[in-house]
Amino acid sequence: EDQVTQSPEALRLQEGESSSLNCSYTVSGLRGLFWYRQDPGKGPEFLFTLYSAGEEKEKERLKATLTKKESFLHITAPKPEDSATYLCAVHSGYSSASKIIFGSGTRLSIRP
Amino acid sequence: DGGITQSPKYLFRKEGQNVTLSCEQNLNHDAMYWYRQDPGQGLRLIYYSQIVNDFQKGDIAEGYSVSREKKESFPLTVTSAQKNPTAFYLCASLSGTGKNYGYTFGSGTRLTVV
Repeated sequence: EDQVTQSPEALRLQEGESSSLNCSYTVSGLRGLFWYRQDPGKGPEFLFTLYSAGEEKEKERLKATLTKKESFLHITAPKPEDSATYLCAVHSGYSSASKIIFGSGTRLSIRP
Repeated sequence: DGGITQSPKYLFRKEGQNVTLSCEQNLNHDAMYWYRQDPGQGLRLIYYSQIVNDFQKGDIAEGYSVSREKKESFPLTVTSAQKNPTAFYLCASLSGTGKNYGYTFGSGTRLTVV
């Protein structure tokens, strides 16, 4: 069964303290892996799409990497405004029955 | 700017009442989706539509209904058969090509049963 698991569930960091969020997946045929940021009471905001193992993408203090079994979202020198829930999702399969599965998210809190 | 508009932002439903959540997009995307989000859980797929006049059930379709009469619009009706409708509802469309392939989400509707 296709599955996406994010860890940790919650992470509290001091401003400037770098860390990584994990998204492990088990799917039949990876079409794409997505990272989203979600602020409370709002819809998710697109960050990255990764397509194949070894791929990396960066945006400001965020860097996403992908292997055959997991993806990491690295946060370098975070600021309080980086506090949010980060969602990982995987699009599996190329047929009309392909589906996108979301993890339950990691709640990130950055203390000033 | 192109995007997805959901309305209303907050909605209150009485027991036994049907309510409809609006979702409109001007991105010219073919595929549209409805998700439900509960605290501590991932997004769960309710219904999706890949073309006009066609839609499929997702993982938790019971108690919900949709229509897709226009490419731009994909309303969701929460019926009285949905026993636990209090949740945050998200509408999305999917860009199938390009480097930004992925979902674009609306800002969500928070539904509360009173």
